[in-house]
Amino acid sequence: DIQMTQSPSSLSASVGDRVTITCQASQDIVTYLNWYQQKPGKAPNLLIYDTSNLEKGVPSRFSGGGSGTDFSLTISSLQPEDVATYYCQQYDNLPLTFGGGTRVELK
Amino acid sequence: QVQLQESGPGLVKPSGTLSLTCGVSGGSISTSNWWSWVRQTPGKGLEWIGEIIHSGTINNNPAFKSRVTTSIDKSKNQFSLKLTSVTAADTAVYYCARARSGSYQFEYWGQGILVTVSS
Repeated sequence: DIQMTQSPSSLSASVGDRVTITCQASQDIVTYLNWYQQKPGKAPNLLIYDTSNLEKGVPSRFSGGGSGTDFSLTISSLQPEDVATYYCQQYDNLPLTFGGGTRVELK
Repeated sequence: QVQLQESGPGLVKPSGTLSLTCGVSGGSISTSNWWSWVRQTPGKGLEWIGEIIHSGTINNNPAFKSRVTTSIDKSKNQFSLKLTSVTAADTAVYYCARARSGSYQFEYWGQGILVTVSS
């Protein structure tokens, strides 16, 4: 199985801060990576697909990048509604696997 | 707008069988989309269990060995999960989800159902 490692596991930032979350795959997954946002008590919500494509309706302050084994999700200017846990997911190989999550809180 | 809704018992006894159904509304289950089960536990995070498509073709996560059975009922527009020989480690929120056609982006999710394994 491909292991997905996210860092940090949690972070605290102020409104307007630039926030970057990283996701590392245990082997080359090309750009077969998605990002999800999950708010408490809710199902995950697709944010970015194929590494860098914004899902419809997602604010442009979100962006994704990377290739191979190293990927990132950036929030250019953190907003209160971005408080959530973020997960990466690879789909290069079955079984599909997710990162352990990054919890984003407001300072 | 496609909507998914999980249903089933919220409490299952150890060594028993967990049975869940995902009802699909707002669209047909007989499309080129794969339909998945994903669970979430505090310890292991999000874990993909397996998927099924309308033809009945299935892919399962080997981590569950032979404990998982997935089926689809096109007449009821729903699909189901059975997980046998459950233990406390199977206590989780179980989600059903639809992957975008031709890809593995989960674009629609159910609200999730908490299943507790306890005597």
